[in-house]
Amino acid sequence: AQSVTQPDIHITVSEGASLELRCNYSYGATPYLFWYVQSPGQGLQLLLKYFSGDTLVQGIKGFEAEFKRSQSSFNLRKPSVHWSDAAEYFCAVGGATNKLIFGTGTLLAVQP
Amino acid sequence: SQTIHQWPATLVQPVGSPLSLECTVEGTSNPNLYWYRQAAGRGLQLLFYSVGIGQISSEVPQNLSASRPQDRQFILSSKKLLLSDSGFYLCAWSVLGASGANVLTFGAGSRLTVL
Repeated sequence: AQSVTQPDIHITVSEGASLELRCNYSYGATPYLFWYVQSPGQGLQLLLKYFSGDTLVQGIKGFEAEFKRSQSSFNLRKPSVHWSDAAEYFCAVGGATNKLIFGTGTLLAVQP
Repeated sequence: SQTIHQWPATLVQPVGSPLSLECTVEGTSNPNLYWYRQAAGRGLQLLFYSVGIGQISSEVPQNLSASRPQDRQFILSSKKLLLSDSGFYLCAWSVLGASGANVLTFGAGSRLTVL
């Protein structure tokens, strides 16, 4: 079955600290992978995506993610978190179909 | 540039009343259109998607229906709302890219509270 697991429901980091949000997927074909961010009461904004090629992808707002096929993972990272990064983050997987499957999200809190 | 609009942004409805949420896309043709629901503390659940006018695929049996009367219009409806229909409803569009992937762009969402 196709699925996305985000094992961390809630993460708190200090401003300026590094961040890694975990994402594991199960997909029967070549996956296309995405990270979206959602501010409270808002829609989802695309942070970055991986289709093929270089397994380290850069996104907006200083985020990056690394695709590791052997681990079925696509973890999101940022070297130094800003208070404005507090939001909910969703990992998603899709393929040559019309649908994306989303994880349950990780809520990020940033301490001053 | 492409834009997506959803309305209403917020809706409070009594149990048993009808529902109509509307989504329109501008600046693109023949988009794929989607309705997702986000319940509190849960991820995004795909409810319906459409690849063309009058073509609706339902992902989860439920109290809701969707229609696509025009190329860039997608409507989510219910004849009689249930308490469990409360949630945050997100419309999204995509166009199949050269890579073969659909990249979804989301609207701002509609918050539905059923009392």
